[in-house]
Amino acid sequence: DVKVTQSSRYLVKRTGEKVFLECVQDMDHENMFWYRQDPGLGLRLIYFSYDVKMKEKGDIPEGYSVSREKKERFSLILESASTNQTSMYLCASSLVSRIYGYTFGSGTRLTVV
Amino acid sequence: GESVGLHLPTLSVQEGDNSIINCAYSNSASDYFIWYKQESGKGPQFIIDIRSNMDKRQGQRVTVLLNKTVKHLSLQIAATQPGDSAVYFCAENNAGNMLTFGGGTRLMVKP
Repeated sequence: DVKVTQSSRYLVKRTGEKVFLECVQDMDHENMFWYRQDPGLGLRLIYFSYDVKMKEKGDIPEGYSVSREKKERFSLILESASTNQTSMYLCASSLVSRIYGYTFGSGTRLTVV
Repeated sequence: GESVGLHLPTLSVQEGDNSIINCAYSNSASDYFIWYKQESGKGPQFIIDIRSNMDKRQGQRVTVLLNKTVKHLSLQIAATQPGDSAVYFCAENNAGNMLTFGGGTRLMVKP
């Protein structure tokens, strides 16, 4: 079964910490995405990547960065975590060649205290 | 701007009844639509999709209807079960391989 795997289901971090959220997919997908999901705001795109070492800002990139050193792995980095970054973070992947929708990971619930 | 939206944020149905979840989209150039189901504490899961050259597509207990004239998408779930309780999202593809997501409708199934 093909998968998008997020390394942590739940994380609690302190304000000011540097936080790494990891995502790995085994489908050889070119595209990878990071979203945050908040009640009433739906899914908001933070960053996406269409190839190794390539990245594009989404709608809300402020306070975040990403890294894609290998095709299967896409990392989201909170340089200095703040309480307003408490959220559910969802990773997704898709093929470039044909749009069949995204495959999502199970999500990481991040709480910043 | 272009957006995907939902008419009803919460839908409550009796177990065994049929459910209909609606979605309005505003980009007439969108050519592909998807419904996702998200259970509590989990990531969204693909349910069914439809391309713009179709009006209807059926899966197991689910049917998606597309009305391009009024830019409306609906998801019908037959004989709704407790396991159908979740948030349902529609999404549209209107620019390359990027999806735009709706805000979601919560479906609650009463026993």
